[in-house]
Amino acid sequence: KAGVTQTPRYLIKTRGQQVTLSCSPISGHRSVSWYQQTPGQGLQFLFEYFSETQRNKGNFPGRFSGRQFSNSRSEMNVSTLELGDSALYLCASRALTDYGYTFGSGTRLTVV
Amino acid sequence: TQLLEQSPQFLSIQEGENLTVYCNSSSVFSSLQWYRQEPGEGPVLLVTVVTGGEVKKLKRLTFQFGDARKDSSLHITAAQPGDTGLYLCAGVINTGGFKTIFGAGTRLFVKA
Repeated sequence: KAGVTQTPRYLIKTRGQQVTLSCSPISGHRSVSWYQQTPGQGLQFLFEYFSETQRNKGNFPGRFSGRQFSNSRSEMNVSTLELGDSALYLCASRALTDYGYTFGSGTRLTVV
Repeated sequence: TQLLEQSPQFLSIQEGENLTVYCNSSSVFSSLQWYRQEPGEGPVLLVTVVTGGEVKKLKRLTFQFGDARKDSSLHITAAQPGDTGLYLCAGVINTGGFKTIFGAGTRLFVKA
């Protein structure tokens, strides 16, 4: 079966702009989580969605938001980009019976 | 604040050597996962351990979950260059909803 698909793979944006990242989970997986990965901070939890509802949220400012659609696809949005937002953004899905995630390949965001 | 400490942070060894990576916390986990991540890709789930004292083997990799479910170890026997990568442990905590916390990772480099 197809894995978790994230688009785009790479993105370069300017400070102050906004960006939308997309994630298609594994078919049948209704839980989608987003993580930010940087060399200094490792994997930091952003949020988790299930059935179009945000179930958990990490400690990120309100500039970071997300949503999930009825087909379980998810998007995350970052507004007013800052240089420190440069990171690998990872999407992961899981079946409710699983503890472990299946991750996508990520979107590498560079803010200049 | 729940923390998951991994050690060592970096490991460079010769092909054929054995190694152990540790993951420790003061929190009790419902389960714990180990992932391996290669550059430019998302983490790939290796194993999930659930029961205190559980030991799982995956070819040359042996995973152990502590009796109190607060710590875990990953042992690799006769490491090969293909084992090179970032190894991440992730603990799941039940706080009303399930929350996954990642360790900072152990970067392993196996020289031929």
